[in-house]
Amino acid sequence: AQSVTQLDSQVPVFEEAPVELRCNYSSSVSVYLFWYVQYPNQGLQLLLKYLSGSTLVKGINGFEAEFNKSQTSFHLRKPSVHISDTAEYFCAVSERAGYSTLTFGKGTMLLVSP
Amino acid sequence: NAGVTQTPKFQVLKTGQSMTLQCAQDMNHNSMYWYRQDPGMGLRLIYYSASEGTTDKGEVPNGYNVSRLNKREFSLRLESAAPSQTSVYFCASSDVRTTDTQYFGPGTRLTVL
Repeated sequence: AQSVTQLDSQVPVFEEAPVELRCNYSSSVSVYLFWYVQYPNQGLQLLLKYLSGSTLVKGINGFEAEFNKSQTSFHLRKPSVHISDTAEYFCAVSERAGYSTLTFGKGTMLLVSP
Repeated sequence: NAGVTQTPKFQVLKTGQSMTLQCAQDMNHNSMYWYRQDPGMGLRLIYYSASEGTTDKGEVPNGYNVSRLNKREFSLRLESAAPSQTSVYFCASSDVRTTDTQYFGPGTRLTVL
């Protein structure tokens, strides 16, 4: 079975600063990786996903993530954050073999202040 | 397109009461899911339906039942609510492949007293 660890429960950052949200996964087989974002009082929406190919994946709103197989990581980055990026971010994994559901991490709250 | 809709948005129950959470999607997706979200726990899968006519247990199915009424609708039933079921419930849908994006509804905030 797969699992996801998000190392930080909260990340405070000032507006226009860079940010990295960390995600590590564990699985006995190859995986697909996802980042979802949840704005206050809303459902989740997809930021980006890694399926195959280039290990650097670009998503919406200027976010990108890099898949590192040797370190089993999929960290999310943004070079300059805005107040509107304040939200909870979830890393998720599914296995490549057959039909697999998503397993989510516990989330990282990104708090952007002026 | 409304996407994924959920009713009700809020609900307060007393211990032992029953209720059904409704979910519908208009994207012609094959797969539908029910999650619960608790502080510090992320999202945990309760039940899912990979395709019309099938349902399977997820990580935390105890105390819940589901019905895939048709391709559009997937309901979650609490037969005898308990305070431990106080949570925010999200329905999601996706096409059949594991790589497909899941689309989430706005959630139902349930309190069990």
